[in-house]
Amino acid sequence: GNSVTQMEGPVTLSEEAFLTINCTYTATGYPSLFWYVQYPGEGLQLLLKATKADDKGSNKGFEATYRKETTSFHLEKGSVQVSDSAVYFCALRNSPGYSTLTFGKGTMLLVSP
Amino acid sequence: DVKVTQSSRYLVKRTGEKVFLECVQDMDHENMFWYRQDPGLGLRLIYFSYDVKMKEKGDIPEGYSVSREKKERFSLILESASTNQTSMYLCASSPSQVTHSNQPQHFGDGTRLSIL
Repeated sequence: GNSVTQMEGPVTLSEEAFLTINCTYTATGYPSLFWYVQYPGEGLQLLLKATKADDKGSNKGFEATYRKETTSFHLEKGSVQVSDSAVYFCALRNSPGYSTLTFGKGTMLLVSP
Repeated sequence: DVKVTQSSRYLVKRTGEKVFLECVQDMDHENMFWYRQDPGLGLRLIYFSYDVKMKEKGDIPEGYSVSREKKERFSLILESASTNQTSMYLCASSPSQVTHSNQPQHFGDGTRLSIL
């Protein structure tokens, strides 16, 4: 079956530090990969996505590269801000026509000034 | 912008009550989903629907049912609420993946449900 494993949090960083949140997956077929972000008191919103191997998704300074050889999709940002404090979820869709997503358990990021 | 609206942000009910959580989306999406979110467990899919009057069980359907009488509305029903159903409930919608491959799910802000 499908599964997504994320590093446990919370991840605590100072403003302007470099961020990496690890995500690895197990899937049959040719999955598409997503990062969602949940700000306090809100629902999830899509941060970035990649639909095939070696694709790089990027948005708001965040990046993630779809690595099929290591089954990974690690989230990175060069310089975090206090406003990046949120919970980040890695997710996969097993194949393009498939409706449902499999989510990781989420990683909380806390950025201090 | 897509808007997914959940009827309540906070709800308190008693054990044994029948509870309805309502979700409405305004983008004519075919797919709608109900998740629950618990600390340390992430998001778990309860039910989803890919068309009016159609439903599919997710990973944890026990103790829940759903209703989709109109395309824009998807209701989650707790037939007889229990304390272990205290949780954050999130609704989401997306277009059909057959015609709109890899389009994301759009989420509501959630309903925090407490069962006393």
